[in-house]
Amino acid sequence: NAGVTQTPKFQVLKTGQSMTLQCAQDMNHEYMSWYRQDPGMGLRLIHYSVGAGITDQGEVPNGYNVSRSTTEDFPLRLLSAAPSQTSVYFCASSYSWQSETQYFGPGTRLLVL
Amino acid sequence: SQQGEEDPQALSIQEGENATMNCSYKTSINNLQWYRQNSGRGLVHLILIRSNEREKHSGRLRVTLDTSKKSSSLLITASRAADTASYFCATDASTGYSTLTFGKGTMLLVSP
Repeated sequence: NAGVTQTPKFQVLKTGQSMTLQCAQDMNHEYMSWYRQDPGMGLRLIHYSVGAGITDQGEVPNGYNVSRSTTEDFPLRLLSAAPSQTSVYFCASSYSWQSETQYFGPGTRLLVL
Repeated sequence: SQQGEEDPQALSIQEGENATMNCSYKTSINNLQWYRQNSGRGLVHLILIRSNEREKHSGRLRVTLDTSKKSSSLLITASRAADTASYFCATDASTGYSTLTFGKGTMLLVSP
């Protein structure tokens, strides 16, 4: 199993550009989530999904969209990037929303100029 | 908002010594988890302790939970250079779908 994979590993955007951060897992996990990690702030939850077709907002959802059309994939969309979205983004998954252990991807480092 | 706060922010020890990190949180929880993050990598789950448990062990790790003080500690015994990483506590206080709230982390440096 590849586990949780994320692409790209690193991306530079200009303010106003849009992009999609990809996340995939091959463990048949129902629950997937996106976090951002900023220096001195720890990880903060952006959006999560408890299954295909079901998503909900986390602590810091503004500026981000998600969808979950398949169990395996959970992309994160930035519609109009802002410098405040410069961060490291982590995708995580777990077997179900009741499962407590989350498995993290390697992260995507995003720089918005 | 941050739920857990780790203390200290940074810890430097020698190989073979024990490392203790603390986590305080604000609201009632279902469980508390500790994760490790090596530099530039994703987080790895270490151990979970439920609100009705007081102590848990896993290999060289010992976690305690004091719900009356809303605090937890992570003890790593006989530290190794490979333990050098950042350690985060995460709390699940949700009443619906399980979501985790992470602290800011403790950066541990273990020198040979």
